[in-house]
Amino acid sequence: GAVVSQHPSWVICKSGTSVKIECRSLDFQATTMFWYRQFPKQSLMLMATSNEGSKATYEQGVEKDKFLINHASLTLSTLTVTSAHPEDSSFYICSAQAIRTGGVAGYTEAFFGQGTRLTVV
Amino acid sequence: GESVGLHLPTLSVQEGDNSIINCAYSNSASDYFIWYKQESGKGPQFIIDIRSNMDKRQGQRVTVLLNKTVKHLSLQIAATQPGDSAVYFCAENLTGNQFYFGTGTSLTVIP
Repeated sequence: GAVVSQHPSWVICKSGTSVKIECRSLDFQATTMFWYRQFPKQSLMLMATSNEGSKATYEQGVEKDKFLINHASLTLSTLTVTSAHPEDSSFYICSAQAIRTGGVAGYTEAFFGQGTRLTVV
Repeated sequence: GESVGLHLPTLSVQEGDNSIINCAYSNSASDYFIWYKQESGKGPQFIIDIRSNMDKRQGQRVTVLLNKTVKHLSLQIAATQPGDSAVYFCAENLTGNQFYFGTGTSLTVIP
C-alpha cells in the first residue's frame, strides 16, 4: 500500500526557534497532503491542506504565518513551526490520499505518516 | 474545521468479548467514512471503510455500521484481543476533500 514517511519523529527545540517537519509520499505522487495536530488524549485536528505548486489552505483559527507549509514537489510537503513556543508542543501528523487496494472501490484513503512529537522548552 | 477537540471517552472490555465503538459525524453530505486505529505515539492506521450507499461492511473481526439518518457510525470488534487496545477514530470525507476526525475512543482490553 501507499507509504507516507514523516521526519523527524521527535524534536525538542528552544522557545523562539523554528522547526521544520517533512512529509514524503514514498511510492506514489500526492498533489495534496494534509497536516494535522493532536494534543494528548484528543482527536486529530486538521490544520491545513497542502497543495503542490500553490498556497496551502488553512483551517479557521490556524495562523498561516506561524505554520508555514511548502509543497514544492509531488512527493514532499513541509511544515515549519516558526518562533515556536511551549504551547506549540504537540503531535503533528501529515497524510496524503491515495486509492487503497481492498478498500471501497473508487474511494481514496488517507495514509498517515508516523507523526512528529514536538516539544518546545 | 469540523472535528472537535474533546478528551477521549474510554471503553474497557474483557479479552474475548465483543467491543462496540460509536462515532457521530457532523456533515450530512459526507459520503465516505473510515475507521482508524491509533497506538500511542504513532500515526493512525486504516481498519475499515464504508461509503454512504452502504449501511454495513464487514472485515476480518471488524464490522462497520452506518446510520445516515442520525449521522452515526459504529465499529464492532469481535473477540477483542489485548492487541486491540488503542484509540479508535472515525473519519468522514466528502469525496475529494479533506478527512475530518471524530472525537475518538480509547479502548482498553483487560486480559
